[in-house]
Amino acid sequence: EVQLVQSGAEVKTPGESLRISCKVSGYNFTSSWITWVRQMPGKGLEWMGRIDPSDSYTSYSPSFQGHVTISADKSSNTAYLQWSTLKASDTAIYYCARLKGPNWFDPWGQGTLVTVSS
Amino acid sequence: QSALTQPASVSGSPGQSITISCTGTSSDVGGYYYVSWYQQHPGKAPKLMIYDVSNRPSGVSNRFSGSKSGNTASLTISGLQAEDEADYYCSSYRSSSNNVFGTGTKVTVL
Repeated sequence: EVQLVQSGAEVKTPGESLRISCKVSGYNFTSSWITWVRQMPGKGLEWMGRIDPSDSYTSYSPSFQGHVTISADKSSNTAYLQWSTLKASDTAIYYCARLKGPNWFDPWGQGTLVTVSS
Repeated sequence: QSALTQPASVSGSPGQSITISCTGTSSDVGGYYYVSWYQQHPGKAPKLMIYDVSNRPSGVSNRFSGSKSGNTASLTISGLQAEDEADYYCSSYRSSSNNVFGTGTKVTVL
């Protein structure tokens, strides 16, 4: 069974750094891109970017370029999303998903709630 | 980067059919056959319902169907059931190796 299991909820203060994870099992990690999606409280889905775990090539939405970094570790079958300086506006649920084909996300992780508050 | 446009809400009675539209541009919906649809129940992760415009993954009810005409894609739910009440999002491949989601539609079963 293909599974994406994300790290637990985080509570941070503005200015802190953070890295959340997405551990993959049930398929060859390097055979499919991993994508990250943001969902702010009560809002819709926003595509953030994606990574090819085979070579760590990344593509970002212009809305998120420079604000987050997506990475992957082939040795642990894990993808990461990280911030160097969190803002209150980063408060959201973040989902990872397997990208099959150019635009087909399946399955999804369970989501990681990130709360940034002073 | 602008999202694809969906109606904020659509409603129907049990047994009826409803259609959700997803409007983009020639750089995304109109330019590729790579539109997918997702169902999201409150507090849950999204679930793939349709991929590549009109294909259903294994396990998804055949009451869900997808189509595309020009810059607009559509999701039709036939034989509406209470369990279909959820938020629905379209997504399209966009030029420059990007992906984009729609604004989302809340489906209410009356």
